[in-house]
Amino acid sequence: QQQVKQSPQSLIVQKGGISIINCAYENTAFDYFPWYQQFPGKGPALLIAIRPDVSEKKEGRFTISFNKSAKQFSLHIMDSQPGDSATYFCAAERGGNKLVFGAGTILRVKS
Amino acid sequence: DVKVTQSSRYLVKRTGEKVFLECVQDMDHENMFWYRQDPGLGLRLIYFSYDVKMKEKGDIPEGYSVSREKKERFSLILESASTNQTSMYLCANGDHNTGELFFGEGSRLTVL
Repeated sequence: QQQVKQSPQSLIVQKGGISIINCAYENTAFDYFPWYQQFPGKGPALLIAIRPDVSEKKEGRFTISFNKSAKQFSLHIMDSQPGDSATYFCAAERGGNKLVFGAGTILRVKS
Repeated sequence: DVKVTQSSRYLVKRTGEKVFLECVQDMDHENMFWYRQDPGLGLRLIYFSYDVKMKEKGDIPEGYSVSREKKERFSLILESASTNQTSMYLCANGDHNTGELFFGEGSRLTVL
């Protein structure tokens, strides 16, 4: 049972383009929504996160859009670069640092 | 500046063997977690601990146990390894103030 559904499974974007990854959740008790970035051979690392009291958060080229009523959130990577090629996981917290993760999206940015 | 260390990066074990995966953190965080990562399934929580000697089952605890004798060390134990436990295992600690998890680099276990 996937509590957080993530799409697409993989994504190829041209350098300079916009990468968009979407997630949907079911449990309205979730109150923290982070995105993690994982490079090959490394553990995931926090990229950006949002709490449900705001609809958007931007950090550099990375933006989270959050739609509480639709129970959806998405990651936008502007001006995508080859160095952004990685696996991205959305997640939702159910309290006490316990995260439920999406299935992951493999992003490849072509130069 | 390694903050979460998983001592074994790659292990190959035989079915029925007992397996220990060690994790040590130097961040002084109370909360520690073990996840397994499988393609198409993301990361799934096996066990977690909020304090020394304390442990709680996550979403997929069957076939696993854990040990937390010291604050900085959280071990995952496979009592009798099976082929369906072939996976990448990730240890993490959590900052309860910010919500951020800090992961180790993972231990890739193959059970033959």
